[in-house]
Amino acid sequence: GDSVTQMEGPVTLSEEAFLTINCTYTATGYPSLFWYVQYPGEGLQLLLKATKADDKGSNKGFEATYRKETTSFHLEKGSVQVSDSAVYFCAAGRGGSQGNLIFGKGTKLSVKP
Amino acid sequence: DVKVTQSSRYLVKRTGEKVFLECVQDMDHENMFWYRQDPGLGLRLIYFSYDVKMKEKGDIPEGYSVSREKKERFSLILESASTNQTSMYLCASSHPLGAGVVETQYFGPGTRLLVL
Repeated sequence: GDSVTQMEGPVTLSEEAFLTINCTYTATGYPSLFWYVQYPGEGLQLLLKATKADDKGSNKGFEATYRKETTSFHLEKGSVQVSDSAVYFCAAGRGGSQGNLIFGKGTKLSVKP
Repeated sequence: DVKVTQSSRYLVKRTGEKVFLECVQDMDHENMFWYRQDPGLGLRLIYFSYDVKMKEKGDIPEGYSVSREKKERFSLILESASTNQTSMYLCASSHPLGAGVVETQYFGPGTRLLVL
């Protein structure tokens, strides 16, 4: 069945370090791919998305490229800030008009000053 | 901006109580979803609805039911709360997938439920 696998956390980085959070998916066809972010005590917010192969989603300095060959959608940021501390979820569309998503288990990021 | 609101941020209930969690969205979205979030398990889909009075089971529907009497409102019901239903509950909404539309979901702030 469809699944999304992302690297387990927690991930602890110093401010201004480079961030990569790996995400791979298993799905029929070419699903839309998403990264959501959850700040402490809040719901999930869409961070970025990509709808087809080689698309690059970007927002707030974060980027992810839809790689069809490796079925991956890794999240990257060149220089993290303390305010980026949050839980990051990778998700893929399951297809069908209902617009269901399947989520990875989340990766907790802590950025230290 | 899309707004999804949930009736409570924190809720404490006793085992066996009937619990209602309410979710309201203001973007005229057809699709609405209920998830629970648990450490190490991520988000798991409980139920979803793609139209008024329509509902579909998600991955973990056991012990839950839902109601969608109006387009903007989607309720999650725990008929008889149990301690293993202690969790964070998240509601989301979206437009249906279609030409030029991807299935971006918009989330509420969550309800943290403790069942004693």
